[in-house]
Amino acid sequence: DADVTQTPRNRITKTGKRIMLECSQTKGHDRMYWYRQDPGLGLRLIYYSFDVKDINKGEISDGYSVSRQAQAKFSLSLESAIPNQTALYFCATSDRDEQFFGPGTRLTVL
Amino acid sequence: GENVEQHPSTLSVQEGDSAVIKCTYSDSASNYFPWYKQELGKRPQLIIDIRSNVGEKKDQRIAVTLNKTAKHFSLHITETQPEDSAVYFCAASYGGATNKLIFGTGTLLAVQP
Repeated sequence: DADVTQTPRNRITKTGKRIMLECSQTKGHDRMYWYRQDPGLGLRLIYYSFDVKDINKGEISDGYSVSRQAQAKFSLSLESAIPNQTALYFCATSDRDEQFFGPGTRLTVL
Repeated sequence: GENVEQHPSTLSVQEGDSAVIKCTYSDSASNYFPWYKQELGKRPQLIIDIRSNVGEKKDQRIAVTLNKTAKHFSLHITETQPEDSAVYFCAASYGGATNKLIFGTGTLLAVQP
């Protein structure tokens, strides 16, 4: 779905580095989410936001922070990356029930 | 905490056969149960969903059933085709809202031609 974009698509970084993943959407949705996907573990919710002033922790928020700069933009930061944060990260948006996912960012922490 | 268990983790069927994937959930307040399909290298996409006030929903070759008493829901795919090969995720809402989801761990479905 080209309406939800993520940058970068791939990133390799080193332990201890700060990294930001960005998500933008043109769907006009208020709700945005960040998930990580690991083999055998499915999709796990990191943070979610129901509007610009609303930020909530998900299942696995430790080691992550987020910023909702505008309705259309939701960024995920790793302040000090560690190897077990190596994963595929998805942003998603919704206005009611269905969630629309971005293409994903593959992050490798060495 | 809230949990969704999904079985099997892998499923191989012959083209034309049926496939069934089962999930159980723990939060009795869950009221929305979507199924997402993720093709290799692609993003997850919603294929069907069901709400807690409905026992079954069908859309062409796919159907979902819900047993609230047992906290079970299942995805049924009939007349499987090679393009059905993908990872399928079930999910359940939690916290009394439909827009926070707990996902199952996924089922890799392989349809053999």
